[in-house]
Amino acid sequence: EEQLVESGGGLVKPGGSLRLSCAASGFTFSDAWMSWVRQAPGKGLEWVGRIKRKTDGGTADFAEPVKGRFTISRDDSKNTVYLQMNSLKTEDTAVYYCTTDRALCGDCYFGAFDIWGQGTMVTVSS
Amino acid sequence: DIQLTQSPSTLSASVGDRVTITCRARQSIRIWLAWYQQRPGKAPKLLIYKASTLESGVPSRFSGSGSGTEFTLTISSLQPDDFATYYCQQYYSYRTFGQGTKVEIK
Repeated sequence: EEQLVESGGGLVKPGGSLRLSCAASGFTFSDAWMSWVRQAPGKGLEWVGRIKRKTDGGTADFAEPVKGRFTISRDDSKNTVYLQMNSLKTEDTAVYYCTTDRALCGDCYFGAFDIWGQGTMVTVSS
Repeated sequence: DIQLTQSPSTLSASVGDRVTITCRARQSIRIWLAWYQQRPGKAPKLLIYKASTLESGVPSRFSGSGSGTEFTLTISSLQPDDFATYYCQQYYSYRTFGQGTKVEIK
């Protein structure tokens, strides 16, 4: 079964840091691009950032609200992707989901989120 | 960033109704659009990708159409399980989501 399991959420003070992890199983992790998506309480979905697979350069891109504060890394030997969040703000409070970010057909772009984790809650509050 | 606007924001419907949700992009995204369903307290679920391709296991009452800047998600006969919030998402340039459409019971 294809699965993603996030961990690392919790309560942190404004200005603090937190690292989320997402462990993958049931599919070839090294072939997948991976994204992080968040959802503030009672709000819609917001894309946070994405890391490409190593064969496509392994680079990461981010949404404007988190650029310069968040980084994404991956460890293909552990089938795990990480979201490092620094300089956290109250507006970063949300459920954070990791997702696969894959090309689902031969001539498809990467970018359809077909597998989702259960989410992990991050609360930024003093 | 490519902005997506969904309409309506809320839709009231009955079981058996045909339902259509629209997603408009500020610039052309060709066919690189996906649709998701989210039930309360759950992770989103992929329904459609590449504007009109049904994800494996998704009931055939869901369909998607469109290209360029205008897209639709249609549910041909609404079922009790379909009362949820639906999001469009573009992946032509980075990724962005629409603001969501809540389908509620009339």
